[in-house]
Amino acid sequence: DAGITQSPRHKVTETGTPVTLRCHQTENHRYMYWYRQDPGHGLRLIHYSYGVKDTDKGEVSDGYSVSRSKTEDFLLTLESATSSQTSVYFCAIAGTGGDDGYTFGSGTRLTVV
Amino acid sequence: EDQVTQSPEALRLQEGESSSLNCSYTVSGLRGLFWYRQDPGKGPEFLFTLYSAGEEKEKERLKATLTKKESFLHITAPKPEDSATYLCAVQARTGGGNKLTFGTGTQLKVEL
Repeated sequence: DAGITQSPRHKVTETGTPVTLRCHQTENHRYMYWYRQDPGHGLRLIHYSYGVKDTDKGEVSDGYSVSRSKTEDFLLTLESATSSQTSVYFCAIAGTGGDDGYTFGSGTRLTVV
Repeated sequence: EDQVTQSPEALRLQEGESSSLNCSYTVSGLRGLFWYRQDPGKGPEFLFTLYSAGEEKEKERLKATLTKKESFLHITAPKPEDSATYLCAVQARTGGGNKLTFGTGTQLKVEL
């Protein structure tokens, strides 16, 4: 999607290993979000950021940490991956007004085996 | 806790057969209600934002309406290219961070 990219697009990892997903934006937006999408649960917020070094937890933050050292980058880390973290992860960005909703990335499909 | 319930979970229509998708919500002070379209393997794509009861917005064959408890996405004379999952989300006035709470979506299939 224009202005926001996620990497990697696909990843398979083993239980207990650390994993970092990257979200990069070129829109200079203040807000960035990490969601996971699972069948039957929809999109659930993991963590979000409202500025450089300013982050907060969402509804499903256990087992995840985030960092934002630059406006354009928002990293999601699974410290020790578990099978329950197999999911599709979406990053989203929003401007200060938020009236246009979010712009989403294309997602990262993570499989923990 | 903000909640969003969408129905039906899945809907199959013939081309040209109009219908509506429902989004019921509870939120501690609605700032905005959002509709998104999601195609398989892609991220959600923004469609509409509604702010107050009685508001309506249109885009091609889609029209979104809002009441104090629910929103409808009306699809008029749908075409196969309208096939997608439609997501509804709410944003509360309080809580900060411009966070959105999503429903689980309605999967629409439009057949020839």
